[in-house]
Order: sequence, then C-alpha cells, then structure tokens
Amino acid sequence: DSGVTQTPKHLITATGQRVTLRCSPRSGDLSVYWYQQSLDQGLQFLIHYYNGEERAKGNILERFSAQQFPDLHSELNLSSLELGDSALYFCASSVTTSASSTDTQYFGPGTRLTVL
Amino acid sequence: DAKTTQPPSMDCAEGRAANLPCNHSTISGNEYVYWYRQIHSQGPQYIIHGLKNNETNEMASLIITEDRKSSTLILPHATLRDTAVYYCIVRAISGGSARQLTFGSGTQLTVLP
Repeated sequence: DSGVTQTPKHLITATGQRVTLRCSPRSGDLSVYWYQQSLDQGLQFLIHYYNGEERAKGNILERFSAQQFPDLHSELNLSSLELGDSALYFCASSVTTSASSTDTQYFGPGTRLTVL
Repeated sequence: DAKTTQPPSMDCAEGRAANLPCNHSTISGNEYVYWYRQIHSQGPQYIIHGLKNNETNEMASLIITEDRKSSTLILPHATLRDTAVYYCIVRAISGGSARQLTFGSGTQLTVLP
C-alpha cells in the first residue's frame, strides 16, 4: 500500500459526458502528478501540481483539467469524453522538499475509465 | 531526461536471481536512475533509485556501471509475485518539468515455477 488513494476504482460512462477523478496524496506530500495509461500509448504524464499550484503540463488535452485543493487532494476533470479516453488514470504523490530533492513518486491504485 | 533501452521480455526461474538490464548511454551528471514495476494493471510500484553508487534495499539491488551508461536491477530470489513489467527511468533531480517520470515500454519479467 503506497498511501496514495484514488476514487473511484472503476468508472463507466458514455461519450460526451464529464467525470471527476479524485486523488488523496500520502500524508505530508505536497506534489500530485497525474498519468494516463492506455493500451496504445503506455504510461504518459498529464500534469503536476505542487501545494495547490500547477507546476508542469504534459500531453494533457484541453478537455481535461485538474486542480489541487488546500487539503492537498487533487481532482482530474475529464469532459466531452471520447471513446479514446478509455484508460487507466493514475495519480502519484511526492514530498518535493527542494529543487534538488530526488523526489520519489508513489503511485495510487488507479481509476479505470471506460467510455462507451 | 535521457532515453533508456530495455529488453522487451525476460524469463527467470523461481528462486533464482533476476537480472534486468537497462541502457542509458546519454545520461547526464544530474540524472538519477529509477526503477519501478507494474504488476498487471496496478499502480506502478517504486523499487529503487541511484546516482552512481550501487544501492540495495529490501526489494532489490541496483548496480550502475562506472561510466553510468547502463545499470542492472537485481531481484535476488525471484518469486512468482515478481512477475511484472519493470521500468527503468532516468530523471533529473531538479527543475520543474524534469520532475515528471517518462515511462518507456519496460521489460516484462515472467518468473517461472
């Protein structure tokens, strides 16, 4: 158990809909990262938040957005869903104490999104 | 981050050591070598990381060559539960976007009974 929690475990929805995925980082971790894993693309970085602020963006679609709240949990919002958005979505957290930190990331169990 | 090259698959007999190689010939001085594994569709699990010295923890050992262009992850006594995809990742220790992890295809390790 990494200490990172994600809800829900599974989500089935229809094209055009909007969903919200939730992530609670390990106690004391200030950084949250979101990754997408689809069959044809592998694990890809989406976005990084540190203490409530966006720090880096990867291959995140404009239909997707995220935020990190004052209690440090994070939500990933996916809208206008398409069949190709079906994937596993993982969040990871890390301490990120300084610019030179090795900053090991610990992953949650993931949310499996199926768009029908 | 430097690119890594790993064999797509390997087999290992249960109880034997599993040695997983990784090539990272373009690694820079400020880049660490990280190893993660993913069992089926579970979240990636951190195993170990190192800069230039060999490292060991309760899960595995990491051997990094002197020129740092390659490394080997060693699982000393592989069990069936070690069957997973193993990812070798090179990552800088500072900077904004450099904090993300860039996953390649990894090595599918199958531990055989």
